[in-house]
Amino acid sequence: AQSVAQPEDQVNVAEGNPLTVKCTYSVSGNPYLFWYVQYPNRGLQFLLKYITGDNLVKGSYGFEAEFNKSQTSFHLKKPSALVSDSALYFCAVRPPGYSTLTFGKGTMLLVSP
Amino acid sequence: EAQVTQNPRYLITVTGKKLTVTCSQNMNHEYMSWYRQDPGLGLRQIYYSMNVEVTDKGDVPEGYKVSRKEKRNFPLILESPSPNQTSLYFCASSPLTPGQGIGRKNTEAFFGQGTRLTVV
Repeated sequence: AQSVAQPEDQVNVAEGNPLTVKCTYSVSGNPYLFWYVQYPNRGLQFLLKYITGDNLVKGSYGFEAEFNKSQTSFHLKKPSALVSDSALYFCAVRPPGYSTLTFGKGTMLLVSP
Repeated sequence: EAQVTQNPRYLITVTGKKLTVTCSQNMNHEYMSWYRQDPGLGLRQIYYSMNVEVTDKGDVPEGYKVSRKEKRNFPLILESPSPNQTSLYFCASSPLTPGQGIGRKNTEAFFGQGTRLTVV
């Protein structure tokens, strides 16, 4: 069975500094990987995905993620954090040939002014 | 505009009173699913549907029912709600993923705005 781990419940970063939100996964085969963001009182919004190809994936709002197959990781990154990036971030995996998403437990990102 | 619409957004009910949360999508997606979100547990799948009249249990199906009579609609039914079903619920839809190695341009899931349910 597939699983996703987000080892940090919360990440704190100062505005303007780079941020990283970590995600590792366990799945058979080559997975589809996703990051979603949830702002307060809102649904989940899609940020970016890795399907195949370049290991560095660029997404919405200046976010990017690096797929590392040997480390089974898909960390979310941004070169310069904004206060408005403060939200709950979810990593998700979809095994090959399946439509079901498995989510991590989420990481709260807090960006201080 | 492509969207998934859930109703209601907020609901307070009493134990044992049947309720239905509606979900509708306008993207002609085959795959639809329901999740519940609880603090520290992330999102857990309740039920999913791969097409009309095809539904299956997710990770936490107990106490829930679903139906898929039309492609666009996927209601979540709580026949006899209990306090442990107090949660934030999300409906999602996506294209059906083909076999391994076949890439599709649009594979991400679209989520509704959520329904915050409180059972007292």
